[in-house]
Amino acid sequence: AQSVTQPDIHITVSEGASLELRCNYSYGATPYLFWYVQSPGQGLQLLLKYFSGDTLVQGIKGFEAEFKRSQSSFNLRKPSVHWSDAAEYFCAVGARTNAGKSTFGDGTTLTVKP
Amino acid sequence: NAGVTQTPKFQVLKTGQSMTLQCAQDMNHEYMSWYRQDPGMGLRLIHYSVGAGITDQGEVPNGYNVSRSTTEDFPLRLLSAAPSQTSVYFCASSLRQGVNEQFFGPGTRLTVL
Repeated sequence: AQSVTQPDIHITVSEGASLELRCNYSYGATPYLFWYVQSPGQGLQLLLKYFSGDTLVQGIKGFEAEFKRSQSSFNLRKPSVHWSDAAEYFCAVGARTNAGKSTFGDGTTLTVKP
Repeated sequence: NAGVTQTPKFQVLKTGQSMTLQCAQDMNHEYMSWYRQDPGMGLRLIHYSVGAGITDQGEVPNGYNVSRSTTEDFPLRLLSAAPSQTSVYFCASSLRQGVNEQFFGPGTRLTVL
């Protein structure tokens, strides 16, 4: 069965500082990997996704993520955080053979200090 | 495109009452799903559908029913609401198997007293 672990429940960074949110997955084959962002009171919005090919993927809002097969990780990064990035971030793994069913991590809440 | 729409946005029920959460998408997606979101527990899959007439259970299906009579609509029914069903419910849709990016609705915040 597939699973996702986001080790950090809550992260606080200063505005302008760099950010890395961790995601580890468990899946028997090459997975589909996603990062979603949820602003308060909103639904989830896709930031970026990895299906195959280049292991460094670029997303919206200046985010990027790197797929590392050897570490079963898909960490999200941003070089300079803005106050508007404060939100909850979810990593998800999708099964290639399971009709689009995804498994989500428990989320990481990002607080941005002025 | 409106994307994924959900109604109502907020709902308060008494224990034992029934209701239906509505979900519709206009992107011709074959796959639709319902999640519940509770603090510290991420999103948990309730039910999903891979096409009209086909539904299946997720990890927390008890107390919920679904049907998929059209590609566009995927309602979630609570037959007898319980306080444990107090949660925020999200509907999502995506293209067919193999293309798994999901589009989420704005959510329904349900309180069961």
